[in-house]
Amino acid sequence: SAVISQKPSRDICQRGTSLTIQCQVDSQVTMMFWYRQQPGQSLTLIATANQGSEATYESGFVIDKFPISRPNLTFSTLTVSNMSPEDSSIYLCSVTGQGGKYEQYFGPGTRLTVT
Amino acid sequence: EDQVTQSPEALRLQEGESSSLNCSYTVSGLRGLFWYRQDPGKGPEFLFTLYSAGEEKEKERLKATLTKKESFLHITAPKPEDSATYLCAVHSNSGYALNFGKGTSLLVTP
Repeated sequence: SAVISQKPSRDICQRGTSLTIQCQVDSQVTMMFWYRQQPGQSLTLIATANQGSEATYESGFVIDKFPISRPNLTFSTLTVSNMSPEDSSIYLCSVTGQGGKYEQYFGPGTRLTVT
Repeated sequence: EDQVTQSPEALRLQEGESSSLNCSYTVSGLRGLFWYRQDPGKGPEFLFTLYSAGEEKEKERLKATLTKKESFLHITAPKPEDSATYLCAVHSNSGYALNFGKGTSLLVTP
């Protein structure tokens, strides 16, 4: 399975600011995904990021709040814009398995606290 | 709408005390059911994929089974290092999203 790293691992940010989270994969992958895990909750998909096309957002998530870049097949960024305390969560990127398999492999996550 | 419900929310076992975690699901066309392990402060670690009813997968002390309505994760003679949150997720015909349950927090005491 792919090895996925994320930066930063954690951050504490002030209300109204923005934070960009980076996700790096050690192999080329077609699809990358961004999830949010709010305190005490399970994972919720924010968007799917394909290289060379606009990200596809799930219901309840918008590009202005969570802009995503996917400049190549090994890298993606998620920005959390104009943050509020409700954005305090763990943000995770993931990739699908090889050979058309549907399971996803996750990075270590970015723990964001907004004060 | 796809739904995934895991039970119990929390489970405390003594070392060596076998038990099962449950994942009930409702999906429109199951492409796969997945089990993950998540340790505090880390991302989910992939354990198993099950594709069709009757399928079983094993890894060390863990065994996952699947029926048309639910999946079980059986833990045989657990050890303290098995303590973690176990997540169940389904992938249906609608899109690429994995739909996760809220997880079962397992604590195994010596």
